[in-house]
Amino acid sequence: QKEVEQDPGPLSVPEGAIVSLNCTYSNSAFQYFMWYRQYSRKGPELLMYTYSSGNKEDGRFTAQVDKSSKYISLFIRDSQPSDSATYLCAMREDFGNEKLTFGTGTRLTIIP
Amino acid sequence: IAGITQAPTSQILAAGRRMTLRCTQDMRHNAMYWYRQDLGLGLRLIHYSNTAGTTGKGEVPDGYSVSRANTDDFPLTLASAVPSQTSVYFCASSDSRRGSQGRGYTFGSGTRLTVV
Repeated sequence: QKEVEQDPGPLSVPEGAIVSLNCTYSNSAFQYFMWYRQYSRKGPELLMYTYSSGNKEDGRFTAQVDKSSKYISLFIRDSQPSDSATYLCAMREDFGNEKLTFGTGTRLTIIP
Repeated sequence: IAGITQAPTSQILAAGRRMTLRCTQDMRHNAMYWYRQDLGLGLRLIHYSNTAGTTGKGEVPDGYSVSRANTDDFPLTLASAVPSQTSVYFCASSDSRRGSQGRGYTFGSGTRLTVV
């Protein structure tokens, strides 16, 4: 079993829909949780970052972490065609251990 | 523009040849990483360096070597390329000083390598 599991998709939704992307993990030591967005033929870029459990909102994006269930989510409201990309979850342990463990990524397409 | 520069952008390489992928950052980040990205397998860590002068092995280090002579440069060398090393290679960096944890990694644009 992988340390981080992520549904690879592909996921296609109509423009304006709410998108839900999810990851599960097995390592209870993970404390920092991130979402990266990767456009085709580009490097991943940091989209959202959350420490420990809770929610964080940034514009149309909301990141949720439920450490009791070892489950994290990224919600995209009012999805736009420009949101079409691969989304990777990533997580790491506490300060001093910089190593990130990535999910395999979910490929998302927003249909105009 | 601050960030990471990778070179070359793409390369076709004959099996058995030696190749070095270049990575330079201008953010003065202490930590640097090399990943390969393959369909269905995601990003896999090859080697990393927490600070200049030190390196460590990641998940898939065999067939690759790195060096970190200074803060800015972190080249990845394939001593004798094999077809299974066909992949997209990403260099990344991070600032691991206390208070910087939320900034995550900064990635380069990648090198597409095909070994034939």
